[in-house]
Amino acid sequence: EIVLTQSPGTLSLSPGERATLSCRASQSVSSSYLAWYQQKPGQAPRLLIYGASSRATGIPDRFSGSGSGTDFTLTISRLEPEDFAVYYCQQYGNSLTFGGGTKVEIK
Amino acid sequence: QLQLQESGPGLVKPSETLSLTCTVSGDSISSASYYWGWIRQPPGKGLEWIGSIYYGGSTYYNPSLKSRVTISVDTSKNQFSLKLGSVTAADTAVYYCASDSSISWYFYWGQGTLVTVSS
Repeated sequence: EIVLTQSPGTLSLSPGERATLSCRASQSVSSSYLAWYQQKPGQAPRLLIYGASSRATGIPDRFSGSGSGTDFTLTISRLEPEDFAVYYCQQYGNSLTFGGGTKVEIK
Repeated sequence: QLQLQESGPGLVKPSETLSLTCTVSGDSISSASYYWGWIRQPPGKGLEWIGSIYYGGSTYYNPSLKSRVTISVDTSKNQFSLKLGSVTAADTAVYYCASDSSISWYFYWGQGTLVTVSS
């Protein structure tokens, strides 16, 4: 099973700042099979990025994904008030696993 | 535009079988080339994939849960279902149904339903 480790656990930032979230895999992941989700309290996760760098339908262009192999990054260029949430990376290899999440909170 | 809605008992006794149904609207479950999946989230914790089924019938399960899980499709009701046997308190979670045309991620999600395992 591929283990995904997300860092930091919590990111404290102000609106308008740039957020950089990391996702590291225990073994190489095909970029085609790496996704990012946003989850707000009491809500289902929302797909943001698939294929490591493609934005899902309706996702603003301030969200971008990058990376390959074992290191992937989600960047939010300028935080809007609605972006404060928990973010999960997810991979599909021979099974599907999620990272432990990064909480982006208001500083 | 798919819409998914989970339903089932909110309370299950230890050692019994948890059964949930996901009702699909917006498309026919038998005609669309989608993967239909289940994901769970214990209170205050992260996400865990349970498994998925392809519209053609192939199933894919989390190895850690495989011995206790069955996912199936009921085309007559446009639903798919989850059965998880021999539950314990560790199975207490919000259970989500989800779907996508790719096996690799999920765009469409239900709102989730909390299932508590307790006597």
